[in-house]
Amino acid sequence: NAGVTQTPKFRVLKTGQSMTLLCAQDMNHEYMYWYRQDPGMGLRLIHYSVGEGTTAKGEVPDGYNVSRLKKQNFLLGLESAAPSQTSVYFCASSYSQGNNQPQHFGDGTRLSIL
Amino acid sequence: GDSVTQMEGPVTLSEEAFLTINCTYTATGYPSLFWYVQYPGEGLQLLLKATKADDKGSNKGFEATYRKETTSFHLEKGSVQVSDSAVYFCALSGYTGNQFYFGTGTSLTVIP
Repeated sequence: NAGVTQTPKFRVLKTGQSMTLLCAQDMNHEYMYWYRQDPGMGLRLIHYSVGEGTTAKGEVPDGYNVSRLKKQNFLLGLESAAPSQTSVYFCASSYSQGNNQPQHFGDGTRLSIL
Repeated sequence: GDSVTQMEGPVTLSEEAFLTINCTYTATGYPSLFWYVQYPGEGLQLLLKATKADDKGSNKGFEATYRKETTSFHLEKGSVQVSDSAVYFCALSGYTGNQFYFGTGTSLTVIP
């Protein structure tokens, strides 16, 4: 029962470095999401995907890129990391259209940008 | 646009006390409403949900009723335990189903 798996769990980067966060789900879900969680701000949607090969911008997409080449994977990229991107990143997935479908979350990636 | 407003914390209660965490929402159409719980160092877990007006979601002693007339979805538990200490998030899914909107979270600490 893996559910949603995020890799890595922790990472420290220097300003200007790039990295990719990987999210994998084994529930055959169509929809996948990337959020960031910051103190006092709840969860903010970065990008999401409604199916393989599709992506869309969320509330705070600047500085991030995503790709959904395979249905089970959703990658979040930081091309040139900035200290403002220090955060906890969560991936989530949900089954299909219909607003009664809950989202299933991974355990998060804690990212620090120095 | 759609949004969720959640009571601010932190909330500290003694074991066996009654819990209420307020949540109100703004949405077009007929959203679904959710409560999620986040334990330290973990991701969010679905606690309960309600998909239409007057529905009551319940799980692990927690309850919340979807009140369309007051646009509210307050979380309640009759007798909290130390193990309920966590951060609780109210959320809604709009009519398109594409996006969730989360409240800012309410931290609950239960002391023995």
